[in-house]
Amino acid sequence: DAGVTQSPTHLIKTRGQQVTLRCSPKSGHDTVSWYQQALGQGPQFIFQYYEEEERQRGNFPDRFSGHQFPNYSSELNVNALLLGDSALYLCASSHNDGRYSNQPQHFGDGTRLSIL
Amino acid sequence: EDQVTQSPEALRLQEGESSSLNCSYTVSGLRGLFWYRQDPGKGPEFLFTLYSAGEEKEKERLKATLTKKESFLHITAPKPEDSATYLCAVARRGATNKLIFGTGTLLAVQP
Repeated sequence: DAGVTQSPTHLIKTRGQQVTLRCSPKSGHDTVSWYQQALGQGPQFIFQYYEEEERQRGNFPDRFSGHQFPNYSSELNVNALLLGDSALYLCASSHNDGRYSNQPQHFGDGTRLSIL
Repeated sequence: EDQVTQSPEALRLQEGESSSLNCSYTVSGLRGLFWYRQDPGKGPEFLFTLYSAGEEKEKERLKATLTKKESFLHITAPKPEDSATYLCAVARRGATNKLIFGTGTLLAVQP
C-alpha cells in the first residue's frame, strides 16, 4: 500500500521563477494539505484541498496556489519565487469521515526547494 | 492565537536512560493533539492522536499522555534507533483538521 508520494524530491530555482510541486495521496484518502517547513522549524500550514476545492488557507501570500484533481492528487504552485521560499514542502493526506473528522494526516517525504 | 511550545529543544540520552518530552498548547477548542516523529530528510511519521484530558496511548517504548494544557511523550529505555525529531501538533475544532506544529525536540540516544 503506497503512502503519500511527492515529486520531485529536490528542485533548484532562481528568484522570480515559478515552480509546481506534485502530490499523490495515500490510497483511500481524499483530503490533501500542504505545509512549508523551514530548517529547524515545525511545518507551517499553507492550505487544504477537499473535493477539488480549497477549504482553508494559512498565512501565505497569493503567490502560493494549488489545485486538486478528481483522482485526489494535488499540485502546489508558487510564483515569483523569493529567497525566503527555500524550504521543505510537505504534502499530507487524510480521509474525511465527517465534519469533525479526526483522522490523522499522513505525510510524504517532501520536496526540498532551493532558491538561488 | 493557537500556539504549541515544545521543550526541551534538544535532548541527549544514554541508551536505556528514560525521559520525557513536553508539549504545551493553547487552542480554542481542541480537536486533537498529534505526535509525529521526523527523521532527517524525511517527512513526519504519525505516532499518536490524543483527544481528551486523561487519555494515554502507548507504542513500544513510547507513551503519550494529555492534560488540558500539555502533553508528554515518555520514552522508556530508549535505543539509538529512537533518535529523531519529535513534533507535536494540535488541531482546532472547526471545518478542517489543519495542524499547528511546535518546533520539535531533537532527541539523540547514544549507545
